[in-house]
Amino acid sequence: DAGVTQSPTHLIKTRGQQVTLRCSPISGHKSVSWYQQVLGQGPQFIFQYYEKEERGRGNFPDRFSARQFPNYSSELNVNALLLGDSALYLCASSLWGEMNTEAFFGQGTRLTVV
Amino acid sequence: AQRVTQPEKLLSVFKGAPVELKCNYSYSGSPELFWYVQYSRQRLQLLLRHISRESIKGFTADLNKGETSFHLKKPFAQEEDSAMYYCALTKSNTGNQFYFGTGTSLTVIP
Repeated sequence: DAGVTQSPTHLIKTRGQQVTLRCSPISGHKSVSWYQQVLGQGPQFIFQYYEKEERGRGNFPDRFSARQFPNYSSELNVNALLLGDSALYLCASSLWGEMNTEAFFGQGTRLTVV
Repeated sequence: AQRVTQPEKLLSVFKGAPVELKCNYSYSGSPELFWYVQYSRQRLQLLLRHISRESIKGFTADLNKGETSFHLKKPFAQEEDSAMYYCALTKSNTGNQFYFGTGTSLTVIP
């Protein structure tokens, strides 16, 4: 098992554009969460999905949205990109959405907005 | 609102010396506390969590509810402990909705 995989690993976008980031959880994991990590800061919680439903949302504007597919993979969408959206976006998967089983992180997608 | 504070951004210790990475939290309910570690060019990974009460790689952490702290300790630092350490909390029964501190970069000097 390759663990949690995220794609792409890097991308560059222009202000105002839209971006879609992808995450494939570990096989059998049903919960996926997304984090934004700005340089020099810890990861900030954006969304959690479990069994294709949103179970939690952090303090992010409506420009951020996500979904989870029947195979438990997930996409994070960001519209109307701002320079401040430049960050490393991390995905984490775990078995369940409620019990605190161990979360496994992907390698992240580095987004640069110019 | 929940908050995790790691007061030291950088910490250097000599090999064989004790190390303590500080973590304080604020949360009105009963949180679950974790330490995550990121070694150079590796993914963020779980080091330990307070509910397990276990020692991993010689590290321990005790949840002190009175002082709202969850400091990470190791009696004898090793060079391979050099890494970025993040303290994190989750609210009960919320799975992987982590609230992270800003992290402490630990360097163990040979």
